[in-house]
Formats: sequence, C-alpha cells, structure tokens
Amino acid sequence: DAKTTQPTSMDCAEGRAANLPCNHSTISGNEYVYWYRQIHSQGPQYIIHGLKNNETNEMASLIITEDRKSSTLILPHATLRDTAVYYCIMTIIQGAQKLVFGQGTRLTINP
Amino acid sequence: GAGVSQSPRYKVAKRGQDVALRCDPISGHVSLFWYQQALGQGPEFLTYFQNEAQLDKSGLPSDRFFAERPEGSVSTLKIQRTQQEDSAVYLCASSFTGMAETQYFGPGTRLLVL
Repeated sequence: DAKTTQPTSMDCAEGRAANLPCNHSTISGNEYVYWYRQIHSQGPQYIIHGLKNNETNEMASLIITEDRKSSTLILPHATLRDTAVYYCIMTIIQGAQKLVFGQGTRLTINP
Repeated sequence: GAGVSQSPRYKVAKRGQDVALRCDPISGHVSLFWYQQALGQGPEFLTYFQNEAQLDKSGLPSDRFFAERPEGSVSTLKIQRTQQEDSAVYLCASSFTGMAETQYFGPGTRLLVL
C-alpha cells in the first residue's frame, strides 16, 4: 500500500471550512484514496473515497489533484462534533484489502 | 439498521490469563477484519476473514493470538497468556464483499492487561 503523509494536527473555527491535506506521491493507478475519521473512544468511520475524480457526499468533499499525488478532504461547515483524527488511506481496487492507517491528522474544531 | 457490535466493551485481565473478544458483523457482510490500536496510534491490521475462511493472518503479532469465524458470521479473537503489551483497543470491521469496499467498524474492545 502507498504511504501517505498528513499533518499531525490542525485547528479550525466552528462554522468554517476545514481543509485536510494528504500527500500520496507513490500512489499507483489501481489505488483508491479513502478517508476515515475516528472520534474519541469510537471506531473509525468512513467519510468518502475517490479514484481520480472529485467526489462529494453529505459529509464532505474530496479533491484529488490531476496527478493523483495529493488530495484534500473538505468539511464545508465544521462543527464541534467534527473534532476527530482523520486518516487518509490508499487501498487497491481489486480484492479485499486491509486498511493501512498512518498517524492521521488530529483536527480540533474550536468554538 | 444494526451496525457492527463488539463485546465486551472493556476487559481487564491479569497477565497470563486467556481472553476472548467477540465481534458481530453487519448481517450479510462477507468480509470481517480485526485491527489492534495501541494508545495514540492508528489501528493496525491483524487478520481477515472471507465468510468462514481466514485468508490473511499476517498481522497477528504472535501465536498467542487466534481468530475464528466458524459459521461465517460472528467472529472471536482469542488471546492466550495475555501480556502487558497486549493492552490495546481491538477493533472489528466488516464489509459487504471486501472488494475495495467501505469497512464498517465496531466500537472496539478496550483490553487492559495488568
């Protein structure tokens, strides 16, 4: 699995957009970009995933650069409940794949 | 609908005791994964089942760790002769097919070995 690099921590004001970057310069053509988050004392929660096109769902938007070497997760209107550790993960398209978590980004939403 | 459930939520064991951790995946999910999460770290893969077949156990840290899923639904992770370094949160996840699909995680079992 490709290695990802994320900032250790970030802060964002409540109501503002939170933009979480992820570098995955060694990503291969058959790997998806997945984002999960883990709120304190809970299991990880799926947020969004994409291959090469930008994606949006009810939780977030995912912007993937054209060369696929980096991506940004956008929480458009962050709330206090979005405080969590956010993980950017690569996983290949075929076959059941274990998730390889890094350290993630600890996002703190401030009132 | 019901998500992935795990029991117990908390377990305190004396060093040397055996423990059994249970995972109830989402009904109909073919794939089941176990992860171990040490304090302050991201989860790390332990083992993977497709139905009742254990297809990958490369992440199990020692032969004291054993997992089973005999009927392709509920899974049990057993740790024999627990050691202090086994203290962690054990997470279970399931997915419909496992083919590059979203994994749904349970709340985890927090194991403390004294």
